Amino acid sequence: GQQLNQSPQSMFIQEGEDVSMNCTSSSIFNTWLWYKQEPGEGPVLLIALYKAGELTSNGRLTAQFGITRKDSFLNISASIPSDVGIYFCAGLEDDPDSGGSNYKLTFGKGTLLTVNP
Amino acid sequence: DAGVIQSPRHEVTEMGQEVTLRCKPISGHDYLFWYRQTMMRGLELLIYFNNNVPIDDSGMPEDRFSAKMPNASFSTLKIQPSEPRDSAVYFCASSRVADTQYFGPGTRLTVL
Repeated sequence: GQQLNQSPQSMFIQEGEDVSMNCTSSSIFNTWLWYKQEPGEGPVLLIALYKAGELTSNGRLTAQFGITRKDSFLNISASIPSDVGIYFCAGLEDDPDSGGSNYKLTFGKGTLLTVNP
Repeated sequence: DAGVIQSPRHEVTEMGQEVTLRCKPISGHDYLFWYRQTMMRGLELLIYFNNNVPIDDSGMPEDRFSAKMPNASFSTLKIQPSEPRDSAVYFCASSRVADTQYFGPGTRLTVL
């Protein structure tokens, strides 16, 4: 099945620093999603990307859909303590046999972000 | 609007017992997904429904796992009999026709 390689696995940064993380795949995805998960909670959707080359921002977060459709990155600018959590990328590949209605997300293993005040 | 609701939030049971996890999706969402999260394997899709019909259950580990969606506002994931290796956090998520899935808070299951 599909696999997503997410890196880095963990990051320890100082408040105010910028953060960058990425995901790569051996296969093409039609949609890339970025989620954040805090302890004891479910993943929360941050950004959704639908077109190759698309660059989308959500506050201090910026994500891009790679041109090859096999990668995506997420940047966080001027990090703050509440940015702490695990960030997941997820890719969606429409199954041609299902007529484009297959919604099986493949998740990366996550990037654990720690921000020191 | 209320998000995805899951119950219970925590479940501790003994090996061999039946476990039932419950989910109420966001109103108007046509898709419902059940995931399992562990440290070793990350987030894994178990099964998903479209308009209450199971579409893909290829992620269900084995016959001990079953899921139902009797109506648009309720789904269950049942494990019978439970085993210690089933210990994990189980998430329910829902979405409209689009692909953005919204997750519930999860049920932390511990099987002793």
